[in-house]
Amino acid sequence: DADVTQTPRNRITKTGKRIMLECSQTKGHDRMYWYRQDPGLGLQLIYYSFDVKDINKGEISDGYSVSRQAQAKFSLSLESAIPNQTALYFCATTDTLRGYGYTFGSGTRLTVV
Amino acid sequence: GEDVEQSLFLSVREGDSSVINCTYTDSSSTYLYWYKQEPGAGLQLLTYIFSNMDMKQDQRLTVLLNKKDKHLSLRIADTQTGDSAIYFCAETGGYQKVTFGIGTKLQVIP
Repeated sequence: DADVTQTPRNRITKTGKRIMLECSQTKGHDRMYWYRQDPGLGLQLIYYSFDVKDINKGEISDGYSVSRQAQAKFSLSLESAIPNQTALYFCATTDTLRGYGYTFGSGTRLTVV
Repeated sequence: GEDVEQSLFLSVREGDSSVINCTYTDSSSTYLYWYKQEPGAGLQLLTYIFSNMDMKQDQRLTVLLNKKDKHLSLRIADTQTGDSAIYFCAETGGYQKVTFGIGTKLQVIP
């Protein structure tokens, strides 16, 4: 099994629908992150969490919300999806930024029509 | 805020060396990273370097850091077709938040 699992892998949804992307990890890491990747823009941080009771906004949090249900689970919600939220979404985890970097999930490709 | 810049595209012939360059702005960066992203996959950590180091070598990979110029490079020796991917430079900012560059697409020509 993958260390960081994202579901679903692909999703097409309609404008205005609520959608949840899920992330679970078996690394035992405290820190979890949600990033969005768009061509030519690299990765942009949406939200991050350093433990179960900690939620922090990233660079582009508008239109998104998150829930850290447990140390191993971090979900991202789009309350009312819009077409410019079409992107590749990545979950990442780490226990420290001191040289170990992130472990990334395989990503969720979301298309909003 | 922090910024990481890298060129968009690099094309090399199989067997040649590839050099991917990156510049960053945050002088308080403690760690700098190189990640590789293959099509349809997440980012995979290739290597990292601590800010008090000038060079790190790991098999075919050599990372050079010029802290004065805030310049980081990744050299891949004997580049293979399997090295074709997008390579991201990243650095830790002062609040332990990682900032990524936009990625350099490496194309290896057989």
